[in-house]
Amino acid sequence: NAGVTQTPKFQVLKTGQSMTLQCAQDMNHNSMYWYRQDPGMGLRLIYYSASEGTTDKGEVPNGYNVSRLNKREFSLRLESAAPSQTSVYFCASPSPIGVYNEQFFGPGTRLTVL
Amino acid sequence: GEDVEQSLFLSVREGDSSVINCTYTDSSSTYLYWYKQEPGAGLQLLTYIFSNMDMKQDQRLTVLLNKKDKHLSLRIADTQTGDSAIYFCAGASGGYQKVTFGTGTKLQVIP
Repeated sequence: NAGVTQTPKFQVLKTGQSMTLQCAQDMNHNSMYWYRQDPGMGLRLIYYSASEGTTDKGEVPNGYNVSRLNKREFSLRLESAAPSQTSVYFCASPSPIGVYNEQFFGPGTRLTVL
Repeated sequence: GEDVEQSLFLSVREGDSSVINCTYTDSSSTYLYWYKQEPGAGLQLLTYIFSNMDMKQDQRLTVLLNKKDKHLSLRIADTQTGDSAIYFCAGASGGYQKVTFGTGTKLQVIP
């Protein structure tokens, strides 16, 4: 099992460009999350999906859209990138069994917007 | 929503004990967690504690929870260079599995 995978690992964009960050999990979990990590600010929730076909806003959703394509995949789209979106983006999926709410994280996408 | 605060940086010598502190605001947090993030990687669960416990020990790790003061700590005994990482405390509450993460503490272990 690969767990949670993310692509790409690194990306540089110019202001105004668009891109989609991909995330997939092979653990058959219902929920999936997108976080951004900024120095001194910890992880902030952008969007989450409690189950296939549903998505909801998190703490910092402005400038982002998401798609829960199927149970495995949850993508994050930046329609018009801004320098303030320079960050490390993590996809995560909580386990419904074992340790309550244990989040399994992908390796991250490091995005720079010039 | 919940606020979770941590100091940003801690430096210790190899072999010493490390204590990483965290304060939180939401007393309804059911579970409290410590995650470890190694350079260039995602977070991994290190340990956790139920809100009805005061202490949990797991090999070199000791978690202390003071519910009255809303204070959580992680003690790492005999700290090793491999313990160098960023440590996040987190709390879970809410019906949709929402987890709030702290700001992270970067632990530097000096050989």
